[in-house]
Amino acid sequence: AQKITQTQPGMFVQEKEAVTLDCTYDTSDPSYGLFWYKQPSSGEMIFLIYQGSYDQQNATEGRYSLNFQKARKSANLVISASQLGDSAMYFCAMSPKYIFGTGTRLKVLA
Amino acid sequence: SAVISQKPSRDICQRGTSLTIQCQVDSQVTMMFWYRQQPGQSLTLIATANQGSEATYESGFVIDKFPISRPNLTFSTLTVSNMSPEDSSIYLCSVTSGVYEQYFGPGTRLTVT
Repeated sequence: AQKITQTQPGMFVQEKEAVTLDCTYDTSDPSYGLFWYKQPSSGEMIFLIYQGSYDQQNATEGRYSLNFQKARKSANLVISASQLGDSAMYFCAMSPKYIFGTGTRLKVLA
Repeated sequence: SAVISQKPSRDICQRGTSLTIQCQVDSQVTMMFWYRQQPGQSLTLIATANQGSEATYESGFVIDKFPISRPNLTFSTLTVSNMSPEDSSIYLCSVTSGVYEQYFGPGTRLTVT
């Protein structure tokens, strides 16, 4: 069975600062993937970043990076230089089951 | 990439009735997923639908309540049967394409009165 846990229901960050959103997981699958999605108030799901369980390096996509610590079973999302438009719900998800965590609501303050 | 459309975009239904939600993809995909999302909450996986085989349902979801069809590689339907107010939610169709990309439809907002 797979399980995803996000322990931060809400986070605040000052504009231009970096923020880390936590995600831990549990799985018995030797091969899996970890994803982060952004869901703004409009409701659309926006893919941000992916990390494969066998990837040696942490994934990066522009201002997004994934801090993957396999031994600790964590896959935290780091957003650098936060922007007001980053205010949204953020979900961590996992394959092959494609299940989602409970989400973290991020608010960027001007 | 994959572009997904869902019909209807929203509906208001009376309890005891059924609603069928359609999901159309602009390319052939192997795996399709149906999720439910209550307002302000996470996505809960209802079932995974692969073409040519029976859908696989997650714990708490049964075929009699949420029958799914997957007649080809670009189309699927989810029926919400014998609805109650607890079924009010956003229903999302999703597909995987390529190595890992997962794409989502715009959702169907269902209100049961």
